[in-house]
Amino acid sequence: DAKTTQPNSMESNEEEPVHLPCNHSTISGTDYIHWYRQLPSQGPEYVIHGLTSNVNNRMASLAIAEDRKSSTLILHRATLRDAAVYYCILREGGYNQGGKLIFGQGTELSVKP
Amino acid sequence: GAVVSQHPSWVICKSGTSVKIECRSLDFQATTMFWYRQFPKQSLMLMATSNEGSKATYEQGVEKDKFLINHASLTLSTLTVTSAHPEDSSFYICSARRVREYGLSGNTIYFGEGSWLTVV
Repeated sequence: DAKTTQPNSMESNEEEPVHLPCNHSTISGTDYIHWYRQLPSQGPEYVIHGLTSNVNNRMASLAIAEDRKSSTLILHRATLRDAAVYYCILREGGYNQGGKLIFGQGTELSVKP
Repeated sequence: GAVVSQHPSWVICKSGTSVKIECRSLDFQATTMFWYRQFPKQSLMLMATSNEGSKATYEQGVEKDKFLINHASLTLSTLTVTSAHPEDSSFYICSARRVREYGLSGNTIYFGEGSWLTVV
């Protein structure tokens, strides 16, 4: 499974944007970039995913480098409820496919009021 | 979004007994479900892939005779921890893969709330 590298922890202030980086230099052409987050004592929650183009949804934006070797999850205005561990995961994709999710260590985001 | 439910949310069992955890996809069919284990302050570790109507595929190092997985229907997978020991105490999480009917953006995996197992 292709590997991702994320900082262990990051801090943010409430109401400010947060940029969570992820490096995936060994990504293959069929790997989708997925982001999940996990609040304490809960299962992971899907945030966003993309292949080549930048993606936006109601939770966040995903900026993907042109060479696809890195990506950034953007939370436009951090709230206290966004404090969680954020996982960047590469997953084999394609219609009616989709491999398993292998979790790395993730980035623990803390948000200060 | 899609809902995946686990039951029970927490369970305490005696050492040597077996305990079953259920994972249900409530509003979609899931041909594939996944089981994870997570120890405190650690990441999720994939234990096995559960395929409806066939045997589960276990990750390396996971004892298939100890962690029995049954995926009897398109909405239900169960994990049974047999002959539980205190070291099996952990947070067990399931996920289900929702297959998109249209589009080429792949499919999404949704997670349950997790089940805390404590073996005393």
